[in-house]
Amino acid sequence: QSVLTQPPSASGTPRQRVTISCSGSSSNIGRKTVNWYQQVPGTAPKLLIHTSNQRPSGVPDRFSGSKSGTSASLAISGLQSEDEADYYCAAWDDSLNRYVFGTGTKVTVL
Amino acid sequence: EVQLVESGGGLVQPGGSLRLSCTGSGFTFRTYWMNWVRQAPGKGLEWVANINQGGSDQAFLDSVKGRFTMSRDNAKSSLYLQMNSLRVEDTAVYYCVRDLSGGGCYWGQGVLVTVSS
Repeated sequence: QSVLTQPPSASGTPRQRVTISCSGSSSNIGRKTVNWYQQVPGTAPKLLIHTSNQRPSGVPDRFSGSKSGTSASLAISGLQSEDEADYYCAAWDDSLNRYVFGTGTKVTVL
Repeated sequence: EVQLVESGGGLVQPGGSLRLSCTGSGFTFRTYWMNWVRQAPGKGLEWVANINQGGSDQAFLDSVKGRFTMSRDNAKSSLYLQMNSLRVEDTAVYYCVRDLSGGGCYWGQGVLVTVSS
């Protein structure tokens, strides 16, 4: 079972703001940075946010990440139809000695 | 252009073995940690294993310890996952991933492993 908890779904209309939460613990998010990945159905995941709040080149600035304590969040501002995808948070867990993923959140553009 | 190409997947009976390969190009393979991540049909992502640049430091998911081994050949820019004693629950798409937890993260297209009788 996943160590990081995300809401199963989120939705919004075009141009709305959507936020996805990721809840962890002191052994993972509480002491490690968080990455976020986007997976369009039928394709491989891709990196969306690294080091909790950094965007790789090529990722639109409508995506932003933040972290506070043992939780992290991903915000999508100005939602677009191509943002329909599954989103996963992840971090290394010092207690389990393995990389752990969130449960995943399916974003739907209404 | 960065590329990671996995191969070696397929259908195998429970208790059987498979060897996955991943070949990288477009970057200096020997300078990166490498990982295997899997995704069972209709399920989320699950980290399987990682290996450091020289191959001396490795970590595995508990459920695959003792059954899976990993190696790399930096001269061939290749990563390998030897999977033995396969179980039905190992059925998944297996992704080769560069620098999974860092800013240089890049995913291969994945290879399907099906364990079934």
